[in-house]
Amino acid sequence: GQSLEQPSEVTAVEGAIVQINCTYQTSGFYGLSWYQQHDGGAPTFLSYNALDGLEETGRFSSFLSRSDSYGYLLLQELQMKDSASYFCAPRGDDKIIFGKGTRLHILP
Amino acid sequence: DGGITQSPKYLFRKEGQNVTLSCEQNLNHDAMYWYRQDPGQGLRLIYYSQIVNDFQKGDIAEGYSVSREKKESFPLTVTSAQKNPTAFYLCASSKGGLGEAFFGQGTRLTVV
Repeated sequence: GQSLEQPSEVTAVEGAIVQINCTYQTSGFYGLSWYQQHDGGAPTFLSYNALDGLEETGRFSSFLSRSDSYGYLLLQELQMKDSASYFCAPRGDDKIIFGKGTRLHILP
Repeated sequence: DGGITQSPKYLFRKEGQNVTLSCEQNLNHDAMYWYRQDPGQGLRLIYYSQIVNDFQKGDIAEGYSVSREKKESFPLTVTSAQKNPTAFYLCASSKGGLGEAFFGQGTRLTVV
Protein backbone atom coordinates (compact mmCIF):
# COMPACT_ATOMS: atom_id res chain seq x y z
CA GLY A 1 0.00 0.00 0.00
CA GLN A 2 0.93 3.63 0.08
CA SER A 3 0.55 6.37 2.65
CA LEU A 4 1.85 9.84 3.34
CA GLU A 5 1.83 11.80 6.56
CA GLN A 6 2.71 15.45 7.00
CA PRO A 7 1.28 18.07 9.38
CA SER A 8 -1.75 19.89 8.02
CA GLU A 9 -0.66 23.32 9.25
CA VAL A 10 2.44 24.99 10.66
CA THR A 11 2.80 28.56 11.91
CA ALA A 12 6.10 30.43 12.24
CA VAL A 13 7.39 33.98 12.57
CA GLU A 14 9.05 35.96 9.79
CA GLY A 15 12.82 35.51 9.92
CA ALA A 16 12.60 32.24 11.85
CA ILE A 17 13.30 28.63 10.82
CA VAL A 18 10.62 26.01 10.29
CA GLN A 19 10.77 22.26 9.63
CA ILE A 20 8.03 20.32 7.84
CA ASN A 21 8.18 16.56 8.40
CA CYS A 22 7.03 13.81 6.09
CA THR A 23 6.70 10.07 6.58
CA TYR A 24 5.79 7.87 3.66
CA GLN A 25 5.11 4.35 2.53
CA THR A 26 5.15 3.43 -1.16
CA SER A 27 5.55 0.35 -3.32
CA GLY A 28 9.08 0.87 -4.53
CA PHE A 29 10.93 4.06 -3.66
CA TYR A 30 13.33 6.13 -5.73
CA GLY A 31 13.40 9.42 -3.89
CA LEU A 32 11.47 12.20 -2.17
CA SER A 33 10.52 15.53 -3.74
CA TRP A 34 9.17 18.71 -2.21
CA TYR A 35 6.85 21.19 -3.90
CA GLN A 36 5.50 24.61 -3.04
CA GLN A 37 2.06 25.79 -4.03
CA HIS A 38 0.69 29.30 -3.57
CA ASP A 39 -3.06 29.84 -3.45
CA GLY A 40 -4.59 29.53 -6.90
CA GLY A 41 -1.34 28.42 -8.51
CA ALA A 42 0.28 25.22 -9.63
CA PRO A 43 2.87 23.37 -7.55
CA THR A 44 6.49 24.24 -8.24
CA PHE A 45 9.43 21.95 -7.62
CA LEU A 46 11.72 22.77 -4.68
CA SER A 47 14.05 19.82 -4.14
CA TYR A 48 14.63 16.10 -4.65
CA ASN A 49 16.49 13.65 -2.42
CA ALA A 50 17.44 10.31 -3.95
CA LEU A 51 20.03 9.47 -1.31
CA ASP A 52 20.13 9.80 2.46
CA GLY A 53 21.30 13.11 3.81
CA LEU A 54 20.78 16.82 3.48
CA GLU A 55 20.40 18.76 0.22
CA GLU A 56 20.68 22.53 0.43
CA THR A 57 19.30 25.01 -2.06
CA GLY A 58 19.54 28.58 -0.83
CA ARG A 59 17.20 29.13 2.11
CA PHE A 60 15.62 25.70 1.63
CA SER A 61 17.10 22.36 2.67
CA SER A 62 15.65 18.88 2.42
CA PHE A 63 16.61 15.75 4.31
CA LEU A 64 15.95 12.09 3.64
CA SER A 65 16.35 8.92 5.70
CA ARG A 66 15.41 5.94 3.54
CA SER A 67 15.68 3.47 6.39
CA ASP A 68 13.14 5.47 8.42
CA SER A 69 10.93 6.35 5.41
CA TYR A 70 11.21 9.92 6.65
CA GLY A 71 12.14 13.27 5.27
CA TYR A 72 11.82 16.93 6.10
CA LEU A 73 11.92 20.32 4.47
CA LEU A 74 13.74 23.08 6.34
CA LEU A 75 13.00 26.70 5.51
CA GLN A 76 15.34 29.33 6.93
CA GLU A 77 15.05 33.12 7.18
CA LEU A 78 11.34 32.91 6.58
CA GLN A 79 9.78 35.58 4.40
CA MET A 80 6.13 36.47 4.02
CA LYS A 81 6.24 35.18 0.43
CA ASP A 82 6.95 31.69 1.84
CA SER A 83 3.32 31.53 2.99
CA ALA A 84 2.07 28.62 0.90
CA SER A 85 1.30 24.92 0.98
CA TYR A 86 4.18 22.47 0.89
CA PHE A 87 3.89 18.91 -0.40
CA CYS A 88 6.21 15.99 0.00
CA ALA A 89 5.98 13.60 -2.93
CA PRO A 90 7.69 10.22 -2.93
CA ARG A 91 8.64 8.74 -6.27
CA GLY A 92 7.38 5.15 -6.38
CA ASP A 93 7.81 2.40 -8.95
CA ASP A 94 6.20 4.29 -11.78
CA LYS A 95 4.46 7.34 -10.37
CA ILE A 96 4.74 10.35 -8.10
CA ILE A 97 2.18 10.61 -5.31
CA PHE A 98 1.27 13.64 -3.27
CA GLY A 99 -0.16 13.99 0.19
CA LYS A 100 -2.56 16.57 1.54
CA GLY A 101 0.21 19.07 2.07
CA THR A 102 1.23 21.38 4.92
CA ARG A 103 -0.15 24.89 5.02
CA LEU A 104 2.57 27.26 6.26
CA HIS A 105 1.36 30.45 7.96
CA ILE A 106 3.92 33.18 8.59
CA LEU A 107 3.38 35.87 11.19
CA PRO A 108 5.04 39.28 10.86
CA ASP B 1 10.79 27.89 -24.19
CA GLY B 2 10.07 24.36 -22.96
CA GLY B 3 7.11 23.79 -20.74
CA ILE B 4 3.79 22.19 -20.13
CA THR B 5 0.56 23.84 -21.22
CA GLN B 6 -2.95 23.23 -20.05
CA SER B 7 -5.98 24.75 -21.65
CA PRO B 8 -8.32 26.31 -20.97
CA LYS B 9 -7.58 27.92 -17.61
CA TYR B 10 -11.27 28.10 -16.69
CA LEU B 11 -14.00 25.82 -18.02
CA PHE B 12 -17.71 25.73 -17.36
CA ARG B 13 -19.95 22.83 -18.34
CA LYS B 14 -23.47 21.71 -17.74
CA GLU B 15 -24.08 18.61 -15.70
CA GLY B 16 -24.26 15.49 -17.83
CA GLN B 17 -21.84 16.69 -20.49
CA ASN B 18 -18.44 15.17 -21.15
CA VAL B 19 -15.54 17.60 -21.26
CA THR B 20 -11.93 17.18 -22.40
CA LEU B 21 -9.03 19.01 -20.77
CA SER B 22 -5.93 19.55 -22.85
CA CYS B 23 -2.34 18.97 -21.72
CA GLU B 24 0.67 19.43 -24.00
CA GLN B 25 4.39 19.34 -23.16
CA ASN B 26 7.49 20.06 -25.23
CA LEU B 27 9.99 18.90 -22.61
CA ASN B 28 10.45 15.50 -24.25
CA HIS B 29 9.30 13.86 -21.03
CA ASP B 30 8.16 10.26 -21.11
CA ALA B 31 5.93 10.38 -18.03
CA MET B 32 2.74 12.42 -17.74
CA TYR B 33 0.21 12.66 -14.93
CA TRP B 34 -3.23 14.03 -14.14
CA TYR B 35 -4.09 15.15 -10.62
CA ARG B 36 -7.24 16.51 -9.11
CA GLN B 37 -7.21 19.08 -6.30
CA ASP B 38 -10.25 20.12 -4.28
CA PRO B 39 -10.25 23.32 -2.16
CA GLY B 40 -7.83 23.06 0.76
CA GLN B 41 -6.90 19.52 -0.19
CA GLY B 42 -3.91 17.72 -1.59
CA LEU B 43 -3.34 16.33 -5.07
CA ARG B 44 -4.98 13.04 -5.93
CA LEU B 45 -3.72 11.00 -8.85
CA ILE B 46 -6.29 10.30 -11.59
CA TYR B 47 -4.25 8.68 -14.39
CA TYR B 48 -0.62 8.46 -15.38
CA SER B 49 1.34 7.36 -18.38
CA GLN B 50 4.98 6.29 -18.67
CA ILE B 51 5.09 5.76 -22.44
CA VAL B 52 3.04 6.41 -25.55
CA ASN B 53 -0.05 4.22 -25.97
CA ASP B 54 0.09 3.07 -22.36
CA PHE B 55 -1.49 4.49 -19.21
CA GLN B 56 -2.54 3.34 -15.76
CA LYS B 57 -5.32 4.25 -13.37
CA GLY B 58 -4.45 6.28 -10.33
CA ASP B 59 -6.35 6.44 -7.06
CA ILE B 60 -9.50 8.15 -8.37
CA ALA B 61 -9.87 7.09 -12.02
CA GLU B 62 -13.61 6.41 -11.95
CA GLY B 63 -15.51 8.78 -14.22
CA TYR B 64 -12.38 9.85 -16.12
CA SER B 65 -10.65 8.64 -19.28
CA VAL B 66 -7.34 9.49 -20.98
CA SER B 67 -5.38 8.76 -24.12
CA ARG B 68 -1.68 8.93 -24.93
CA GLU B 69 -1.40 8.78 -28.70
CA LYS B 70 1.55 11.18 -28.82
CA LYS B 71 4.42 11.70 -26.43
CA GLU B 72 3.59 15.40 -26.16
CA SER B 73 -0.09 15.09 -25.40
CA PHE B 74 -2.14 13.56 -22.58
CA PRO B 75 -5.77 14.78 -22.71
CA LEU B 76 -8.18 14.03 -19.87
CA THR B 77 -11.90 13.53 -20.43
CA VAL B 78 -14.21 14.12 -17.52
CA THR B 79 -17.28 12.03 -18.27
CA SER B 80 -20.85 12.39 -17.06
CA ALA B 81 -20.17 9.38 -14.81
CA GLN B 82 -17.94 11.50 -12.58
CA LYS B 83 -20.25 12.42 -9.72
CA ASN B 84 -18.38 15.46 -8.44
CA PRO B 85 -16.38 16.92 -11.34
CA THR B 86 -15.98 20.50 -10.11
CA ALA B 87 -12.31 20.81 -9.13
CA PHE B 88 -8.88 22.14 -10.08
CA TYR B 89 -7.16 19.76 -12.53
CA LEU B 90 -3.39 19.69 -12.81
CA CYS B 91 -1.32 18.00 -15.48
CA ALA B 92 2.35 17.24 -14.89
CA SER B 93 5.25 15.62 -16.70
CA SER B 94 8.58 14.22 -15.61
CA LYS B 95 11.64 12.63 -17.09
CA GLY B 96 11.57 8.89 -16.50
CA GLY B 97 13.09 7.82 -13.21
CA LEU B 98 13.52 11.29 -11.75
CA GLY B 99 11.55 12.97 -9.02
CA GLU B 100 11.11 16.43 -10.51
CA ALA B 101 7.69 17.01 -12.04
CA PHE B 102 6.75 20.07 -14.03
CA PHE B 103 3.17 21.27 -13.76
CA GLY B 104 0.90 23.11 -16.13
CA GLN B 105 -1.04 26.14 -14.88
CA GLY B 106 -4.10 23.99 -14.19
CA THR B 107 -7.69 24.00 -15.41
CA ARG B 108 -10.42 25.05 -13.04
CA LEU B 109 -13.53 23.11 -14.06
CA THR B 110 -16.95 24.13 -12.83
CA VAL B 111 -19.96 21.98 -13.59
CA VAL B 112 -23.35 23.59 -13.09
